[in-house]
Amino acid sequence: SQKIEQNSEALNIQEGKTATLTCNYTNYSPAYLQWYRQDPGRGPVFLLLIRENEKEKRKERLKVTFDTTLKQSLFHITASQPADSATYLCALDRTYGNKLVFGAGTILRVKS
Amino acid sequence: DTEVTQTPKHLVMGMTNKKSLKCEQHMGHRAMYWYKQKAKKPPELMFVYSYEKLSINESVPSRFSPECPNSSLLNLHLHALQPEDSALYLCASRHDWGRRRTEAFFGQGTRLTVV
Repeated sequence: SQKIEQNSEALNIQEGKTATLTCNYTNYSPAYLQWYRQDPGRGPVFLLLIRENEKEKRKERLKVTFDTTLKQSLFHITASQPADSATYLCALDRTYGNKLVFGAGTILRVKS
Repeated sequence: DTEVTQTPKHLVMGMTNKKSLKCEQHMGHRAMYWYKQKAKKPPELMFVYSYEKLSINESVPSRFSPECPNSSLLNLHLHALQPEDSALYLCASRHDWGRRRTEAFFGQGTRLTVV
């Protein structure tokens, strides 16, 4: 069956360090992979989208990589700040159809 | 306007009630979604509409009935719900450009409690 797995444990890091979050998938061939941030009681907010033929994408302090051979995406937040504390969700998208499916999410806590 | 507006924000309903959740967007998005999210879990896809036609139903019980009356509106009609249906219900929308994928915009959700 199809599975999308993210770090099951919360990630606790010190302010200023780089946070690295992992998204692994099995039995899936996504054409696109997206990352969202979700704060408690609120809807997810889009951060980055990467296509299967792209290795890396950057936006300000954010970087995402996509390795279709390893079936893995890594999401990096550099110079992390306490305001970056949230749940981060990866979502997979195929070429056809509009099905956008989310992984379980990783809780990130940045301590000052 | 880059907002998806959901109403109501909170809803408490009895198991015999009928209620509706509403979702509205004015971004010209032709794909609209309903997700259900339980505490500490990811959003779980329920329904997808593409150009006002239901394109995906993730085997959702018939007590949930979606409706897309026009390209800006999405409703979720609720009837005879169970306490386990209590959750945050999220609406999302995005462009439907064939093979090209874009980001989804989410509303703030309706917190539903079934008593």
